[in-house]
Amino acid sequence: RKEVEQDPGPFNVPEGATVAFNCTYSNSASQSFFWYRQDCRKEPKLLMSVYSSGNEDGRFTAQLNRASQYISLLIRDSKLSDSATYLCVVNSGGDSSYKLIFGSGTRLLVRP
Amino acid sequence: NAGVTQTPKFQVLKTGQSMTLQCAQDMNHNSMYWYRQDPGMGLRLIYYSASEGTTDKGEVPNGYNVSRLNKREFSLRLESAAPSQTSVYFCASSEIWGRDIQYFGAGTRLSVL
Repeated sequence: RKEVEQDPGPFNVPEGATVAFNCTYSNSASQSFFWYRQDCRKEPKLLMSVYSSGNEDGRFTAQLNRASQYISLLIRDSKLSDSATYLCVVNSGGDSSYKLIFGSGTRLLVRP
Repeated sequence: NAGVTQTPKFQVLKTGQSMTLQCAQDMNHNSMYWYRQDPGMGLRLIYYSASEGTTDKGEVPNGYNVSRLNKREFSLRLESAAPSQTSVYFCASSEIWGRDIQYFGAGTRLSVL
């Protein structure tokens, strides 16, 4: 089982739609969670950190479910500019292996 | 504010040639990383430097070497390039090792023929 798993998509949605992605992680000791955005042929950029209490940034909401070991990203009122690949990132946890593990990404296409 | 700067942006090598990818950050970060990204595989950690003066292997270190030249600079060297090393290489940095937010350079697209 991969340490971090995401549905590769693509999710093809119309402008204005609400779309949600989930990401599962395997290490229950993981403590840091992030969503990154990656545009085609560009570097990954931090979209938001994911906190235990959940957090919201404008149209974006991230949630953490430790019991089921997944994080989610909800995008409301999708814009054409939201088209990108969204990477789920989780730290590997453990005593000697605190590194970030990147998921393969979920591709979002927002159509007019 | 430049952030993380990588050079070159593009490179074509022949099998067996060597080259060094350069990375510099101006955020006074302690930790630096080299990743490769291949289609469908996500980012894979090649080497990292948790702090100045230290380097360690990541998930896919074979065929690569690194040097943490100083706190700002972290280079990746391919001694004898192979077609399997065709990839996009990203350098990243973070304030602290492991759990912290990482900031990425624009990447180097490398083709090995």
